[in-house]
Amino acid sequence: DIQMTQSPSSLSASVGDRVTITCRASQSISSYLNWYQQKPGKAPKLLIYAASSLQSGVPSRFSGSGSGTDFTLTISSLQPEDFATYYCQQSYSTLRFTFGPGTKVDIK
Amino acid sequence: QVQLQESGPGLVKPSETLSLTCTVSGGSISSYYWSWIRQPPGKGLEWIGYIYYSGSTNYNPSLKSRVTISVDTSKNQFSLKLSSVTAADTAVYYCAKTGIAAAADRPYYYYYYMDVWGKGTTVTVSS
Repeated sequence: DIQMTQSPSSLSASVGDRVTITCRASQSISSYLNWYQQKPGKAPKLLIYAASSLQSGVPSRFSGSGSGTDFTLTISSLQPEDFATYYCQQSYSTLRFTFGPGTKVDIK
Repeated sequence: QVQLQESGPGLVKPSETLSLTCTVSGGSISSYYWSWIRQPPGKGLEWIGYIYYSGSTNYNPSLKSRVTISVDTSKNQFSLKLSSVTAADTAVYYCAKTGIAAAADRPYYYYYYMDVWGKGTTVTVSS
């Protein structure tokens, strides 16, 4: 199984801050990495697929990078609606898609 | 704009079978892959499995012995059955459209991503 880890598990930030979340895979997954945003009581929303492709309709302040085992999600200027939990997910192993444990972004 | 809606009992007794249906509107189920994902209270996301409209399936190995996902193209629906449930199966269950894109690095391989989600339905396992 491919295990996914994320760091930090939580962070506090202010509106306008640049925020970076890291996701690491237990083995190389090339670019088979997606990022989701989830707000309390809501379904997850796809932000980034294939490591760096921005999903249609997602603001350009969100960006993804990385390949192999190390990936980052960057929010260039945090907005009030961005306070949420962010999950990474690998699809390299089609036998078992796995999610990271999540990173909660809250207001400083 | 494709929309998904989960439906099914909110309470299931231990040892019984959990049954949920996802209705697809605003588009045809006869393309794409369709997934089930769950989230226990206060915890992270767990992929359960997916089905292609043709009926081919792929299940999480940790649940494979208890899971069946099926599709009814005439009703534009797909369904989840999870047998022999315990309290550990208490969760919000989501259905999701699963898009694919051709991979840049490997021929005949695809990126899979869940790009449209239902709102989720809470299932509690309790007697």
